[in-house]
Amino acid sequence: ILNVEQSPQSLHVQEGDSTNFTCSFPSSNFYALHWYRWETAKSPEALFVMTLNGDEKKKGRISATLNTKEGYSYLYIKGSQPEDSATYLCAFEGSARQLTFGSGTQLTVLP
Amino acid sequence: NAGVTQTPKFQVLKTGQSMTLQCAQDMNHEYMSWYRQDPGMGLRLIHYSVGAGITDQGEVPNGYNVSRSTTEDFPLRLLSAAPSQTSVYFCASRLAGGTDTQYFGPGTRLTVL
Repeated sequence: ILNVEQSPQSLHVQEGDSTNFTCSFPSSNFYALHWYRWETAKSPEALFVMTLNGDEKKKGRISATLNTKEGYSYLYIKGSQPEDSATYLCAFEGSARQLTFGSGTQLTVLP
Repeated sequence: NAGVTQTPKFQVLKTGQSMTLQCAQDMNHEYMSWYRQDPGMGLRLIHYSVGAGITDQGEVPNGYNVSRSTTEDFPLRLLSAAPSQTSVYFCASRLAGGTDTQYFGPGTRLTVL
C-alpha cells in the first residue's frame, strides 16, 4: 500500500490570508500527482494534474508546485475567500496508473 | 455530456442483503474505478477497470464484485452486505492515455443495518 500523506489535517484561516498545504508521496515509480478540491456533499473536482519535476500550475488564486525527486507537492491559495473552504485532496499516480489518495487537508476560511 | 452518473443516491440495506450500485459514463473513457470514502480514511480504491472485459482489485476489494461488459458501464455488486460496508461510494472515470483528469460521479451513500 502506497503512503500518501497530507498536512496539516485541518486549517482555519482568516479571509484574505494566504495559505499552503503539503502532499508527500513515494519518489519512485512516479507518473503524476493530482490535486482535487472537495466540497461537502459534492464529488471531488480536479484542480491540477502535474507530471514533471519542477512543474508549477496555476488556476486563479490557487497554484501548485511539484518536486518528484524528494516526493512532495505544495498547494498554495493566495488571499483566501470563504468560498475556498473545502477539503483539498492529493493523489499519487504511479506506474500502475491507479490513483492513491491522501486523507486531505480540510480548509476553513473565516469571514 | 452527462459525465459520470451513479444510482441510487442513497440506499439502506439490512445485513446479508445484496445490491448493485450502478455507474455509467458517456465520455468514452477506458479507465473506470470504484472508491469508498470513510471518515479519516480518504478515498480508498475498491476495484478498477482499464477497459471492457478487464477488471482488477484495488486496496479494499473484499465483499465486492465488479464487471465491465461495456465501455460505458461499471456496476459494483455487494454480495452480502455487512455494517462495515456502510460508506459513501464514488465511481470515477478517465482516459487511458497521457495524464488526463479523473472525473467523479456524485456518489452513493450506503447504510447497512
